[in-house]
Amino acid sequence: GNSVTQMEGPVTLSEEAFLTINCTYTATGYPSLFWYVQYPGEGLQLLLKATKADDKGSNKGFEATYRKETTSFHLEKGSVQVSDSAVYFCALSDPQTARQLTFGSGTQLTVLP
Amino acid sequence: NAGVTQTPKFQVLKTGQSMTLQCAQDMNHEYMSWYRQDPGMGLRLIHYSVGAGITDQGEVPNGYNVSRSTTEDFPLRLLSAAPSQTSVYFCASSSTARTGTPNTEAFFGQGTRLTVV
Repeated sequence: GNSVTQMEGPVTLSEEAFLTINCTYTATGYPSLFWYVQYPGEGLQLLLKATKADDKGSNKGFEATYRKETTSFHLEKGSVQVSDSAVYFCALSDPQTARQLTFGSGTQLTVLP
Repeated sequence: NAGVTQTPKFQVLKTGQSMTLQCAQDMNHEYMSWYRQDPGMGLRLIHYSVGAGITDQGEVPNGYNVSRSTTEDFPLRLLSAAPSQTSVYFCASSSTARTGTPNTEAFFGQGTRLTVV
């Protein structure tokens, strides 16, 4: 079956620090990969996505590259801000299983001023 | 733009009580789903629907029922609440349900925080 393994948290950084949150996956087919973000008290929002190997998703200064050879989709940002404090979820969707999303366990990020 | 609307936002139930969590979307999405979020476990799929009249079980369906009589609505019913169902519940929808096509964005509601005592 499909699974997503995500870097354990919580992660605490100072403002302007570099961020990496690791994500690896196991899938039977050729999944699409996603990063979702959950701000306090809110639902999940799509942050970025990639639908095939070597695609790079990017949004709001965050980037992640779909690496089929290492089955990874690590999230990076060069300079985090206090407003980036949230929970980040890596997820995959296998086109053969009717749009079901498989999520990682989530990583809590706190950015200190 | 309402998107995905969940009600209620908070609920406390006694063990054995039943209730329905409401979910409505106004984007004419085919695919809708229910997840529960528990600490350290991410989101787990409870039930999903690929269109009106069609539902199926996800990873953790026991204790929950769903129906999809319209495209817009996808209620989740707890038949006899148990403390193990204390969780945050999210409803989501997305536009494409056909297999073999690239996925599109899933839109989430703001969640229902349920406590069963």
